[in-house]
Amino acid sequence: DAGVTQSPTHLIKTRGQQVTLRCSPKSGHDTVSWYQQALGQGPQFIFQYYEEEERQRGNFPDRFSGHQFPNYSSELNVNALLLGDSALYLCASSLGLAEYPIQYFGPGTRLTVL
Amino acid sequence: KNQVEQSPQSLIILEGKNCTLQCNYTVSPFSNLRWYKQDTGRGPVSLTIMTFSENTKSNGRYTATLDADTKQSSLHITASQLSDSASYICVVALLTDSWGKLQFGAGTQVVVTP
Repeated sequence: DAGVTQSPTHLIKTRGQQVTLRCSPKSGHDTVSWYQQALGQGPQFIFQYYEEEERQRGNFPDRFSGHQFPNYSSELNVNALLLGDSALYLCASSLGLAEYPIQYFGPGTRLTVL
Repeated sequence: KNQVEQSPQSLIILEGKNCTLQCNYTVSPFSNLRWYKQDTGRGPVSLTIMTFSENTKSNGRYTATLDADTKQSSLHITASQLSDSASYICVVALLTDSWGKLQFGAGTQVVVTP
């Protein structure tokens, strides 16, 4: 049973560029959440997708957008990259209708913006 | 101001010793509190989850406590092992809609030395 997978593992971009990160949820899960984790900090919630729609959103600008596909996999897109976007981007999957959904995290994508 | 505060920020302990990590939170309405373990360069892994009606939960050598009245939680590690070296993150779930938005602490970095 595959857990949450993310690609790529590492990425280097320059300011102003655009990036797409990908996530495949744990088998049987239908909900995907994205987090940004700066060095030495806890993850910050970006948004969550359920049934191909954005269900909740954190305090991130519109430069951050996402998508969920019919197979529940998801993409995170970041436009007009800034130096401050350098972070570990974590994807977590869960069951959307569970009472206390446990989120299973992927290994993350390390994004460096130069 | 972060609504989930953890202490200490970092901790060094000898292999075989016990330690206790603290978490204070102000978020409301409260749904449940979780402790995650995050190894360097990896995604967080869930250790325990407690609802407001539970005051203790164990997972092997990890024991979490919760005082919902004072909004405090602790994670006790017994007979520490080198593999316990990691960041331990306290996470509080808000009672928002049906799934619970998560608020992460910054984590306590634990280093276990031989």
